[in-house]
Amino acid sequence: AQKVTQAQTEISVVEKEDVTLDCVYETRDTTYYLFWYKQPPSGELVFLIRRNSFDEQNEISGRYSWNFQKSTSSFNFTITASQVVDSAVYFCALNYGGSQGNLIFGKGTKLSVKP
Amino acid sequence: KAGVTQTPRYLIKTRGQQVTLSCSPISGHRSVSWYQQTPGQGLQFLFEYFSETQRNKGNFPGRFSGRQFSNSRSEMNVSTLELGDSALYLCASSLGRRQYFGAGTRLSVL
Repeated sequence: AQKVTQAQTEISVVEKEDVTLDCVYETRDTTYYLFWYKQPPSGELVFLIRRNSFDEQNEISGRYSWNFQKSTSSFNFTITASQVVDSAVYFCALNYGGSQGNLIFGKGTKLSVKP
Repeated sequence: KAGVTQTPRYLIKTRGQQVTLSCSPISGHRSVSWYQQTPGQGLQFLFEYFSETQRNKGNFPGRFSGRQFSNSRSEMNVSTLELGDSALYLCASSLGRRQYFGAGTRLSVL
């Protein structure tokens, strides 16, 4: 079965703290893609990153970094020096094999960054 | 380039009615996917259309249907609305594996 688990339902931090959002996935496919999306209160899902199953390199983009570990089936997301504008719901998602248009989402983690 | 446009943004319907939602993809994108988002079930895949053909379908009853036109615009229809159909319906268009989402249509069923 294909599944994405985001165990943290809500996280609250104070501005400038670092925060890591966890994502664990399950799939039997050897070719798959992992994504992170951000959903602000407006509702639109904003793409943050895509990783394919053959690329285990970690990635850093400004204050954002991602750690992909196939050995533990995890794709965790870290925000360094968090800001109030980072407050949103963050979703991890899986796309596998031939099912190109079907994203399987985790339940999301609501991040609140307080000033 | 214009993003994914969904209309209307908000809808209020009563039980038993039907509703049609519209999605205009990014120019050049031929794949359109639909998702339902509710507090209880989260984001769930409804169906995907590619070149006017349904390519994938999620686990939803037959009351949920869709179609895609030759210009890649897509519509989804929900017949015989139930209270549980109240949700945010998101449309995404894609070129390859990355999906670009619209702002959604928030449907309230009374």
